[in-house]
Amino acid sequence: GQNIDQPTEMTATEGAIVQINCTYQTSGFNGLFWYQQHAGEAPTFLSYNVLDGLEEKGRFSSFLSRSKGYSYLLLKELQMKDSASYLCAVKDSNYQLIWGAGTKLIIKP
Amino acid sequence: GAVVSQHPSWVICKSGTSVKIECRSLDFQATTMFWYRQFPKQSLMLMATSNEGSKATYEQGVEKDKFLINHASLTLSTLTVTSAHPEDSSFYICSASGTGESTEAFFGQGTRLTVV
Repeated sequence: GQNIDQPTEMTATEGAIVQINCTYQTSGFNGLFWYQQHAGEAPTFLSYNVLDGLEEKGRFSSFLSRSKGYSYLLLKELQMKDSASYLCAVKDSNYQLIWGAGTKLIIKP
Repeated sequence: GAVVSQHPSWVICKSGTSVKIECRSLDFQATTMFWYRQFPKQSLMLMATSNEGSKATYEQGVEKDKFLINHASLTLSTLTVTSAHPEDSSFYICSASGTGESTEAFFGQGTRLTVV
């Protein structure tokens, strides 16, 4: 079966750095996405990786290793507004998004 | 980025009635639209995939006669929850994608359905 694992919850301090990991086992791979979702709202797109390596976009960076079935989202200079759930999703061989359960990130002052 | 508009953003209905949710792609042609359901503190669960002009493909365990999906044009898909019951109360989200295989999915704002 298809499976995406990420931690259920993480806590970090304002101004610090946090890394959210995601491991996946899917039938085929056509890209990995990270989304941010605030409670009661739709997910918003953060990043997309299809080749190995690091993609940097402002305070957020995303890394992919296809051989290891592994990705992480790195958030720097954390702000209180970064408190949200972060969803890892993989497009499988049918270009269908398979979602992880999400990681709830709690930012403390 | 592309805009997907979902309406209504919230709805309360009586048990046994039907509710229609609309999903529109405002500035691109959505060849494929996806309907998700999300219960509190749970991940997005794909309900069905619809392609313009053809019947929707439902995920296992989703009743196609209860959740009617229509994708009549490249800019509009609708989800109708028929004979709604309290257990259908959930957050329903649509997303749309164009023809690019590597493109991100664009999401509607979501609809909070409460059946009383």
